[in-house]
Amino acid sequence: EPEVTQTPSHQVTQMGQEVILRCVPISNHLYFYWYRQILGQKVEFLVSFYNNEISEKSEIFDDQFSVERPDGSNFTLKIRSTKLEDSAMYFCATGDSSYEQYFGPGTRLTVT
Amino acid sequence: RKEVEQDPGPFNVPEGATVAFNCTYSNSASQSFFWYRQDCRKEPKLLMSVYSSGNEDGRFTAQLNRASQYISLLIRDSKLSDSATYLCVVKVTGGATNKLIFGTGTLLAVQP
Repeated sequence: EPEVTQTPSHQVTQMGQEVILRCVPISNHLYFYWYRQILGQKVEFLVSFYNNEISEKSEIFDDQFSVERPDGSNFTLKIRSTKLEDSAMYFCATGDSSYEQYFGPGTRLTVT
Repeated sequence: RKEVEQDPGPFNVPEGATVAFNCTYSNSASQSFFWYRQDCRKEPKLLMSVYSSGNEDGRFTAQLNRASQYISLLIRDSKLSDSATYLCVVKVTGGATNKLIFGTGTLLAVQP
């Protein structure tokens, strides 16, 4: 069964550093999403991406965040200058339609 | 009022028991409904979509009441492997939005 994959599984970075989280979607999927989950809290939507552009973003997704699909396969989330409060699990999700979304295993980001 | 509200639990039940989870949502424009399952420190996994007429998948039955803005999940003959957090998820569809809105989840612990 095809799966969404994410790398790295765990990233430790210092405050103020840039991080790039990577996702490889299921091959025929066209809809891409990033969510995050702070420890002990609910899963929160960050951004959706379709047809090579952002279709929606949340209040969390400020100017420090960006997404791109640089080579037509990987889907990346960049945080330009990390803050302590960015520490969370970051999940990529993809879908072949706008209906169901399938999640990758996540990247645990720890900002120190 | 929270967008999606669930009893956080925990629900501690013996193997073989029937357990029911309830969920309410605040946005009457919500159009798609799902139950996801999340194991500790793992990604949410789609358990089942919820249809207006109600639907069943093996031991799992989901119901939707649009008038009351209420969703339920029933698990029959619970197994140890059912122990997880069950996430109620809604989606408001329309325009560019496809984001999933998660509840905080209900923790189920099935005891031997």
